[in-house]
Amino acid sequence: QVQLVQSGAEVKKPGASVKVSCKVSGYTLEELSMNWVRQAPGKGLEWMGGFDPTHGEIIYAQKFTGRVTMTEDTSTDTAYMELSSLRSEDTAVYYCAADSGVQGPPNYDYWGQGTLVIVSS
Amino acid sequence: DIQMTQSPSSLSASVGDRVTITCRASQTISNSLNWYQLKPRTAPNLLIFAASDLHNGVPSRFSGSGSGTDFTLTISGLQPEDSATYYCQQTYSIPITFGGGTKVEIK
Repeated sequence: QVQLVQSGAEVKKPGASVKVSCKVSGYTLEELSMNWVRQAPGKGLEWMGGFDPTHGEIIYAQKFTGRVTMTEDTSTDTAYMELSSLRSEDTAVYYCAADSGVQGPPNYDYWGQGTLVIVSS
Repeated sequence: DIQMTQSPSSLSASVGDRVTITCRASQTISNSLNWYQLKPRTAPNLLIFAASDLHNGVPSRFSGSGSGTDFTLTISGLQPEDSATYYCQQTYSIPITFGGGTKVEIK
C-alpha cells in the first residue's frame, strides 16, 4: 500500500524559511513523479512545482521561482519542499502529490495528508 | 497559462439527485483532465483521470466526460458522503492548473 507521510505543522515568522518533508512507502521515490500543491485558507488548489518526467527535471511554477526548492533523497525515499522569504500569504496547507505514471496522462493518484504552515509575526 | 473555469462554484442537492459540474479550459487540453474530491482535514482523492477513466476504488456513481476544452463530472445518485469540494485539473501543459472548485452540499 502506497503512503505519503508528511512532516508536522509549522509556525514561522515572516521572512523565515520552512522545509516540509514527504516520506514515501510502498513505492520508491524514483518510481513516482512528486509534485507539491498548496491550499490557502478559503482558497483553491495551487500547483507549486514538481518532477517533469518528460524532461527529467523538477520544474517550478513561475510564481514561486527563486523562493522554492524541491529536492529528493532517494536513499530514504523522502521528498522535500523548502519555501523561503515567507509572508503571511504563504499560510496554507501544503501537500505532496505523486503521479505513479501507471495510468493515462499525468494525474496525482497519491497524496500526503497535508502540512499546515502558518506565517505570523 | 491555461485557465480552468469551473461552474457552479457551489450547489446544494438532495440525496439521490444527479449532479453535474462543468470545467472549461481556456485552450484545448485533449483529455489531460483530472477530477479530485476534497473533504476538510483529509487529503484530496483522485476520482477521474484522463477525462473519463474512473480511478481504482471510486464508486461508479462518479463519471467524467469531455475532451478538448469542455469537461463534465457527474454524480449519479448523490450520497451524503459526497459532500465535498470538487476540483478539475489540467496536466496538458506546465504550469499545471486547477479549476476554482465546486462545493457540493447535501440538502
